[in-house]
Amino acid sequence: QSALTQPASVSGSPGQSITISCTGTSNDVGSYNRVSWYQQHPGKAPKVIIYEVSKRPSGVSNRFSGSKSGNTASLTISGLQAEDEGDYYCSSYVHSTTSLLFGGGTKLTVL
Amino acid sequence: QVQLQESGPGLVKPAETLSLTCAVSGYSISSGYYWGWLRQSPVKGLEWIGIMSQSGYAYYNPSLKSRVTISLDTSKNQFSLKVNSVTDTDTAVYYCARQPANGEWYLQEWGQGILVSVSS
Repeated sequence: QSALTQPASVSGSPGQSITISCTGTSNDVGSYNRVSWYQQHPGKAPKVIIYEVSKRPSGVSNRFSGSKSGNTASLTISGLQAEDEGDYYCSSYVHSTTSLLFGGGTKLTVL
Repeated sequence: QVQLQESGPGLVKPAETLSLTCAVSGYSISSGYYWGWLRQSPVKGLEWIGIMSQSGYAYYNPSLKSRVTISLDTSKNQFSLKVNSVTDTDTAVYYCARQPANGEWYLQEWGQGILVSVSS
């Protein structure tokens, strides 16, 4: 199974909104609402910010939102802040193998 | 609040077995959830290795399934990972994590990670 496809990098200025896409197939992203997003800062473990496409864990800012259309999921960060800079990964449940698949990651730069 | 902490050797020789342990505090692993492992390397990115529940259900990454075993030790409230016949491509930061057991496929809590290098 191939990794989910994410853009290598995105950037935005403080206060702006950015969207990161995550493209899979009908066997993963497109089949179930089991897409999650993780934020990772240098030297730290990933932290879940979105699960089940659009749900936010307690304590995660409402500036983070998720959506899905067909085989592509998206993470939107509104009101960009310097602390949002880091790497973002999507993941999806894969029905045929009962496993979890990750995207290659997207580096967000806040200009 | 649950905390997870990985431990084990930072260097493993090729063809040998990589063994790691994850100590859990703040929650009893016998009370529920899936407990699992992931790894991250510059070459392969973030990779899910597998999960196991206290009731014995286990799921593994199909690309690693033949070499990987996850086990739980409820008496010590910890769980372990073994990867057989390692090569340099198994060099990575290894994370232990907790996954909900109600059909929600995401990693809810993570350890800080441990770097394991495979080299002679």
